[in-house]
Amino acid sequence: QVQLQQSGPGLVKPSQTLSLTCAISGDSVSSNTAAWNWIRQSPSRGLEWLGRTYYKSKWYDDLPIYVKGRVTISPDTSKNQFSLHLNSVTPEDTAVYYCARSIMGAAGYFDYWGQGTLVTVSS
Amino acid sequence: QSVLTQPPSVSGAPGQRVTISCTGGSSNIGAGYDVHWYQQLPGTAPKILIYGHNNRPSGVPDRFSGSTSGTSASLVITGLQAEDEADYYCQAYDNNLSGSRLFGTGTKVTVL
Repeated sequence: QVQLQQSGPGLVKPSQTLSLTCAISGDSVSSNTAAWNWIRQSPSRGLEWLGRTYYKSKWYDDLPIYVKGRVTISPDTSKNQFSLHLNSVTPEDTAVYYCARSIMGAAGYFDYWGQGTLVTVSS
Repeated sequence: QSVLTQPPSVSGAPGQRVTISCTGGSSNIGAGYDVHWYQQLPGTAPKILIYGHNNRPSGVPDRFSGSTSGTSASLVITGLQAEDEADYYCQAYDNNLSGSRLFGTGTKVTVL
């Protein structure tokens, strides 16, 4: 059974960097058949996919155009986890952030989710 | 950003059939990409309900089913039960936005 455990601060100041970590059990961040995603949810923006990292002979990431330049998603193989870094945050980035696994493939669905972390951007 | 549009709410009495629509476009559902459906109970993460148009993970009751036609998809709940009261989201790949995974706007199902 795959489990994803999120950690990170719940309050970030404007202009700073939001950083969250997702620890994986029951699978490997280096799996050739899975990708590791970040998704956020807010009342104003709904559910929004922030990107993914995956391993296929080397490490890749996929970032949607609307977050490129602000988001970094990186694996940590020594701890079997992956992280999200979102820079230059504003109050618009206040949301519940989820990590999730998807099976490789363009149309892969998200089959396991973390518990969610409410991150508030406020001074 | 492309959008998958759902009705904000649907309701039904126990035992009734309800349908939730998900309207996309030619770069997502209309391009033939799989549509997936999630159920979200209050205070919890979304849970996969239907994947690849009409496949149910183990443990999901067969009263849930999905279908696709053209640029739209539908989730049908047959024999609505009290525990089905939740938010439901469709999701599909979109080839218009650097390979983005789009979510629907969400539908609140109320059991009367």
